[in-house]
Amino acid sequence: KAGVTQTPRYLIKTRGQQVTLSCSPISGHRSVSWYQQTPGQGLQFLFEYFSETQRNKGNFPGRFSGRQFSNSRSEMNVSTLELGDSALYLCASSLGWGNIQYFGAGTRLSVL
Amino acid sequence: TQLLEQSPQFLSIQEGENLTVYCNSSSVFSSLQWYRQEPGEGPVLLVTVVTGGEVKKLKRLTFQFGDARKDSSLHITAAQPGDTGLYLCAGAQGNEKLTFGTGTRLTIIP
Repeated sequence: KAGVTQTPRYLIKTRGQQVTLSCSPISGHRSVSWYQQTPGQGLQFLFEYFSETQRNKGNFPGRFSGRQFSNSRSEMNVSTLELGDSALYLCASSLGWGNIQYFGAGTRLSVL
Repeated sequence: TQLLEQSPQFLSIQEGENLTVYCNSSSVFSSLQWYRQEPGEGPVLLVTVVTGGEVKKLKRLTFQFGDARKDSSLHITAAQPGDTGLYLCAGAQGNEKLTFGTGTRLTIIP
């Protein structure tokens, strides 16, 4: 059974650009959560999608958005990138909220 | 405001020694999870504890949930180089989002 796949693994952008990250969950998992991990702030929750609907949202500005498709694949978009957006972005899938989350290897975003 | 504080932040010990990592909060959690994250990978769930006072063992790892469900500890006996990694606790409050701790970076020296 394939695990959670995140693409790309590494990304370099400049300030002001926008970026889209992709996450393919484990087959059969309908919940996808996104997290931002930085050395200073640790692992922080961005949002969670279940059956194409956003069910939970963390405390991030509106520049951070996401969506989920009918096949449960999810994308996360960050517009008008700032230097502080440099981080490891992790995606986790589960059968549903409260079930075990399985994390992908992450996308490391560097904003120059 | 960080709800879950882990200590120590960094720990480097010799192979074969014992260690304890702490996860503390002023909030009550319905359950608490421990993860280990290795470089270049995402966190991997080690255990979930749900009952106050609960103790779970996973080989050389012992996890305890505080009686008041506000804190937890992870004890490793006879540490091995394979235990090296970032240890994260995460608390759940009902159906709310998981809140992750600040992390403990553990290095076991052969």
